[in-house]
Amino acid sequence: EIVMTQSPATLSVSPGERATLSCRASQSVSSNLAWYQQKPGQAPRLLIYGASTRATGIPARFSGSGSGTEFTLTISSLQSEDFAVYYCQQYNNWPLYTFGQGTKLEIK
Amino acid sequence: EVQLVQSGAEVKKPGESLKISCKGSGYSFTSYWIGWVRQMPGKGLEWMGIIYPGDSDTRYSPSFQGQVTISADKSISTAYLQWSSLKASDTAMYYCARQQWLVPGGAFDIWGQGTMVTVSS
Repeated sequence: EIVMTQSPATLSVSPGERATLSCRASQSVSSNLAWYQQKPGQAPRLLIYGASTRATGIPARFSGSGSGTEFTLTISSLQSEDFAVYYCQQYNNWPLYTFGQGTKLEIK
Repeated sequence: EVQLVQSGAEVKKPGESLKISCKGSGYSFTSYWIGWVRQMPGKGLEWMGIIYPGDSDTRYSPSFQGQVTISADKSISTAYLQWSSLKASDTAMYYCARQQWLVPGGAFDIWGQGTMVTVSS
């Protein structure tokens, strides 16, 4: 099983500032990496797939980078609606998908 | 509009059986894999398994193999997740989600709203 490790567990950032979230895979997943956002009481929402492609309707302030085992989600200028939990997921080892444990992005 | 609509919340006793549903609309239901994801209270996302409604080809996470059954009825565009004997540890929110590509692989681009399952004596 490919283990996905996210860091940090909690990130405190002020509105308007930049947030950088990390995700590491225990073995290479190429660019088969997605990022999801989950707000309290809501289903996850796809933000990024293919490590760097924004999903439909996702604002340009969200960007993804990386390949192999190291990935980053960057939110360039945090808006109030961006405070949520973010998960990475690998789909390289289909059908054995795995998610990271999540990073909670909170208001500083 | 492309959407997945799940059945409502359930409260069950240990040992009871349960089948929850996920109905797709706005797209060709038989052409896209549908996955199930568990989220225990206050915890992260866990992938459980995936089904291709076109021919009911089903794959399970090793962690959930033998614990649940995933099925689909393509005639009514509905996927199912079922338990034969619930345990308290099955208490969780369960999401269905559509895999984005027509071929195996890809992220989950459309999610159901979730079904909360509570198992308590």
